[in-house]
Amino acid sequence: KQEVTQIPAALSVPEGENLVLNCSFTDSAIYNLQWFRQDPGKGLTSLLLIQSSQREQTSGRLNASLDKSSGRSTLYIAASQPGDSATYLCAVGSNDYKLSFGAGTTVTVRA
Amino acid sequence: GAGVSQTPSNKVTEKGKYVELRCDPISGHTALYWYRQSLGQGPEFLIYFQGTGAADDSGLPNDRFFAVRPEGSVSTLKIQRTERGDSAVYLCASSPGTGSGNEQFFGPGTRLTVL
Repeated sequence: KQEVTQIPAALSVPEGENLVLNCSFTDSAIYNLQWFRQDPGKGLTSLLLIQSSQREQTSGRLNASLDKSSGRSTLYIAASQPGDSATYLCAVGSNDYKLSFGAGTTVTVRA
Repeated sequence: GAGVSQTPSNKVTEKGKYVELRCDPISGHTALYWYRQSLGQGPEFLIYFQGTGAADDSGLPNDRFFAVRPEGSVSTLKIQRTERGDSAVYLCASSPGTGSGNEQFFGPGTRLTVL
């Protein structure tokens, strides 16, 4: 069974600082990895999808890397803003349809 | 275009009652998924549909849970004889198909509270 861990569970930074969110998984035989954002009481918004053959994906201020051999992914958010405050979830696709999620990292960006 | 929608947004019921939760996927998406999210946890997989058939229902916790997708679009998650432990947010997602390049797009969820 794929186990996904996100550390730290919570993070508070001043506005403008870069964010680094970590995700680790136990089984390196993955199909893909997806990062999501979840606002309180809301559903999940997809941020980035990295296919198993890829090493990273970028979208605007977001960059996600994938190292399958070590079972790790990192989400970088440059120049954080208060609007980036949310919970960020890492999800690993262990086959072509099932996602296994971490518990998330709750980020607070202080103005 | 419209995203994944779920109704109701909130459902409060009493222990032992039957509930139905509805999901409308993005138009044209053949794959549909149900997940359950407990407080402070990440979502957990329940069931996956490809078209009308449940291709994998291994995540359903017990036989009180059942889901259908009769026409390959809208899906309904049904819970019989609800228990307090069923309280959670039930999330639905859809994707154009499957494979490593397919993103799953999630709805806002239904928050179920069993009293």
